[in-house]
Amino acid sequence: QSVVTQPPSASGTPGQRVTIFCSGSSSNIGSNTVSWHQQLPGTAPRLVIYDNNQRPSGVPGRFSGSKSDTSASLAISGLQSEDEADYYCAAWDDSLKGYVFGTGTKVTVL
Amino acid sequence: EVWLEQSGAELKKPGDSLRISCRTSGYDFTNYWISWVRQMPGKGLEWMARIHPSDSYTTYRPSLQGHVTVSVDKSVNTSFLHWSSLKASDTAMYYCVRQGIGGHVWGHGTLITVSS
Repeated sequence: QSVVTQPPSASGTPGQRVTIFCSGSSSNIGSNTVSWHQQLPGTAPRLVIYDNNQRPSGVPGRFSGSKSDTSASLAISGLQSEDEADYYCAAWDDSLKGYVFGTGTKVTVL
Repeated sequence: EVWLEQSGAELKKPGDSLRISCRTSGYDFTNYWISWVRQMPGKGLEWMARIHPSDSYTTYRPSLQGHVTVSVDKSVNTSFLHWSSLKASDTAMYYCVRQGIGGHVWGHGTLITVSS
């Protein structure tokens, strides 16, 4: 059972803004940076946000991240059909001495 | 360009041993952690272990300690994940991931099926 939780699903119409939340604790999100990973159906995950709010080269500017205390969020503005995927947050956990992934959120474009 | 090339899919029987590989290129192998991540069928991502190639310092998920072993061969910039005795519950997709400055880079995954 993951110590970092996400809502199982989120949805929006093309062009809308969708925000996914990730809730952790003082030992993970509260004291370490957060990354976000997109997994398109049948493919390997890929990084879309690292160090809470940094976007790797090649990731569209409509993806943005933020962190506050023991929670983090990923926002997708101007939602597009190709954004339909599973999204996972992740952070190091100082108590578990391991990396923890969130439970994952499936984003559906209506 | 940073690239992580994983070995091909495997079909094994319970009790078999197995080693899968993750060959890296495009960066200094000894400067970044390599993690291994498991995804069971229809499930989420689960971190298994990580290793620092410079000194092979390794950390394992407690529930997997003793069941899997992670190693590296610096001469070929490759990390390995090894099982001495597979179980049916090891059936999953396994990803290697480079972690460090600039964020994560994922391998394409290796599908392991364990069935009698």
